[in-house]
Amino acid sequence: QKEVEQDPGPLSVPEGAIVSLNCTYSNSAFQYFMWYRQYSRKGPELLMYTYSSGNKEDGRFTAQVDKSSKYISLFIRDSQPSDSATYLCAMKGVNTGFQKLVFGTGTRLLVSP
Amino acid sequence: NAGVTQTPKFQVLKTGQSMTLQCAQDMNHNSMYWYRQDPGMGLRLIYYSASEGTTDKGEVPNGYNVSRLNKREFSLRLESAAPSQTSVYFCASRSGFAATQPQHFGDGTRLSIL
Repeated sequence: QKEVEQDPGPLSVPEGAIVSLNCTYSNSAFQYFMWYRQYSRKGPELLMYTYSSGNKEDGRFTAQVDKSSKYISLFIRDSQPSDSATYLCAMKGVNTGFQKLVFGTGTRLLVSP
Repeated sequence: NAGVTQTPKFQVLKTGQSMTLQCAQDMNHNSMYWYRQDPGMGLRLIYYSASEGTTDKGEVPNGYNVSRLNKREFSLRLESAAPSQTSVYFCASRSGFAATQPQHFGDGTRLSIL
């Protein structure tokens, strides 16, 4: 079983829709949760990060963490064609020293005009 | 704003050939990383360098070597390429280890081994 599970998609939505992207994980030691966006033929770029449980909002994006269910979500409101990309979740623990990021496999999102 | 620059962008090798993937960052970051990205596997850490002069193995180091040439540059070498090493390779850098400091990625090297 992978430490982080993510539906690969593709997820196709019309412009203006609310998008929900999700990851589940098995390691209860994870405390930091991140969402990266990766455009085709490009490297991942950090969209948002959250610590522990709760919500965090940044413009059209909201990241949500439910540690009791080991489930994280990224919501995109008023989705735009420019949001078409692959979204990777990533997470890590808080022990001292180096902690590797564990990535999901990514969900491909297609927003049609 | 160059950020993290990887060369080459594409490469085709024959089994058994060797090559070095180059990575340079201009953000004065201390730590640097090499990942590979494969369909259905996500990003997997090959090697990392916490600071100039140090390197450590990641999740999938077999078949690879690295060199942290200076603070800016971190290279990945395949001594004897195998078809299983066909992948997209990403270099990343980061200021330190604090969790709130993001990793900055290059645009990748697409490597095919025949």
